[in-house]
Amino acid sequence: DQQVKQNSPSLSVQEGRISILNCDYTNSMFDYFLWYKKYPAEGPTFLISISSIKDKNEDGRFTVFLNKSAKHLSLHIVPSQPGDSAVYFCAAIYAGGTSYGKLTFGQGTILTVHP
Amino acid sequence: DAGVTQSPTHLIKTRGQQVTLRCSPKSGHDTVSWYQQALGQGPQFIFQYYEEEERQRGNFPDRFSGHQFPNYSSELNVNALLLGDSALYLCASSRLGGYDRELFFGEGSRLTVL
Repeated sequence: DQQVKQNSPSLSVQEGRISILNCDYTNSMFDYFLWYKKYPAEGPTFLISISSIKDKNEDGRFTVFLNKSAKHLSLHIVPSQPGDSAVYFCAAIYAGGTSYGKLTFGQGTILTVHP
Repeated sequence: DAGVTQSPTHLIKTRGQQVTLRCSPKSGHDTVSWYQQALGQGPQFIFQYYEEEERQRGNFPDRFSGHQFPNYSSELNVNALLLGDSALYLCASSRLGGYDRELFFGEGSRLTVL
């Protein structure tokens, strides 16, 4: 039962253009969402997050949009840089109750930014 | 300030053997979570330790067990290894009993079961 899905295994973008990575979830109890970036031979590193009470959160070149009715979120990277080439994971958490620290991850999307 | 450190980085075992993986959390963190990442998949939650107790557990069999020590470091033990246990095992730490939702991950321990 894949509760968080990233349906695009890979994405290729030209440097300077926008990268849009998508994520869908099925569990309506999720109320906090995060994006992690992973380089080869490294652990995932936190990128940006959004609470379910918001529909947008921005941090520099990175913006996350949340559409609760569609159970969909997306990560926009503008402008894309070759150093952004990595695997991007969407993750969700039900922050209420006792689910502290239990992230549910998507399968990941490999982003390649070409110079 | 050292981040999350894991050891060993790589190891090879045979079916039926047992393995122990170790994790030291980021300074100031008191909660440790373990994840399994199979090839081409996202990390899957195994369990979480806080105050030296397993606080919550994912959908993994009892062959997977763990421990947290008074200094907050943690071990993951896997008994009776199966070929399907081959994966990257990630340790993540967080603060405030895990209430701080941002997890910091280590580089992982790559386990290969032959």
